[in-house]
Amino acid sequence: AQTVTQSQPEMSVQEAETVTLSCTYDTSESDYYLFWYKQPPSRQMILVIRQEAYKQQNATENRFSVNFQKAAKSFSLKISDSQLGDAAMYFCAHNAGNMLTFGGGTRLMVKP
Amino acid sequence: ETGVTQTPRHLVMGMTNKKSLKCEQHLGHNAMYWYKQSAKKPLELMFVYNFKEQTENNSVPSRFSPECPNSSHLFLHLHTLQPEDSALYLCASSQGGLGAYEQYFGPGTRLTVT
Repeated sequence: AQTVTQSQPEMSVQEAETVTLSCTYDTSESDYYLFWYKQPPSRQMILVIRQEAYKQQNATENRFSVNFQKAAKSFSLKISDSQLGDAAMYFCAHNAGNMLTFGGGTRLMVKP
Repeated sequence: ETGVTQTPRHLVMGMTNKKSLKCEQHLGHNAMYWYKQSAKKPLELMFVYNFKEQTENNSVPSRFSPECPNSSHLFLHLHTLQPEDSALYLCASSQGGLGAYEQYFGPGTRLTVT
């Protein structure tokens, strides 16, 4: 069975600073995909960033980047220059075959 | 936020009621999903439909019955629910079946079972 663990239920960051959200996963698959989704308060969940397991290069999307450590099964999200609009629940997710598994989420608070 | 719509947004029902949740996607996607989001548990995938065919049923109790009449519409029929079924039910769609494709989520239906 696949599992995804987010060990930080809550995180806070000062506006304009950098924060890293942790995610580890367990899988027996060799080919899979990893995602970070963002769910703002009372708003729809949206994709933040995606990583293919076969790619060694870490994915980057503007202020968002990941640190993908395949051997360690770790997939952390770094948010640079944090903005008030980044405040949300962040979910790490793993997909292999036809199963998408989410972590428990990390609530990120951004302090002005 | 209008690519995937869900109705109703809020629903209160008794344990003996029968109700249905509706999801519609306007993105031309081929796959649709139902998820359950509870306060204390990770997001749980319930059902997957790919080209109108159910490809996954993630050990969901039979009191939840999905229906996918076409690639744009997805229903979740509810009957004789339990209070522990109270949760936010999210619908999502993607270009293809589960894999590399990004999923687009609806706003959810907040269900309360009394």
